[in-house]
Amino acid sequence: DGGITQSPKYLFRKEGQNVTLSCEQNLNHDAMYWYRQDPGQGLRLIYYSQIVNDFQKGDIAEGYSVSREKKESFPLTVTSAQKNPTAFYLCASSPWDSSYEQYFGPGTRLTVT
Amino acid sequence: DQQVKQNSPSLSVQEGRISILNCDYTNSMFDYFLWYKKYPAEGPTFLISISSIKDKNEDGRFTVFLNKSAKHLSLHIVPSQPGDSAVYFCAASARAGTALIFGKGTTLSVSS
Repeated sequence: DGGITQSPKYLFRKEGQNVTLSCEQNLNHDAMYWYRQDPGQGLRLIYYSQIVNDFQKGDIAEGYSVSREKKESFPLTVTSAQKNPTAFYLCASSPWDSSYEQYFGPGTRLTVT
Repeated sequence: DQQVKQNSPSLSVQEGRISILNCDYTNSMFDYFLWYKKYPAEGPTFLISISSIKDKNEDGRFTVFLNKSAKHLSLHIVPSQPGDSAVYFCAASARAGTALIFGKGTTLSVSS
């Protein structure tokens, strides 16, 4: 059963702590992405990776970091430098060289207090 | 400045009627457009897309129209069903494998 998994569904952290969100895909897609959604807003790109060991900043990368050590995994770390970390985080993947369509995971709701 | 705009935050339609969701864009480099459907606290689901070389794409009850000169696209749902009630996002891209630029979404409510 192919797809994208994100864990956990809900995550709570204290201000000042770093937190890592998991994203795994078994679709054999080359590209992976992280988006953030805030209430009443569209999705905004944080980081994306087209190939293992390479990634690019999106529009709102400040306060975030990523790694891409394996094709199927693209974890996102929300650091204490991110000023407004509370949001709904969505991971997506796509077959890079042939498709514009991106396929999304179920999301992680992060709440920082 | 928003590159993809969905100017109607909400739309209410009766079951069986047509739903028309609109989207405008400003970037002439966009060459592919997509519509996603999203329920609260879930990931968006890809619905339908259109390349800039076409002006219409149809998939069952869903049709997307593209007017390049006006930089406008629309999603038609006919007939609308209560299960279509969700937030619909318009998205655009200038190159495969890079960012999708999303609008803020339109909440569609279909009443029976």
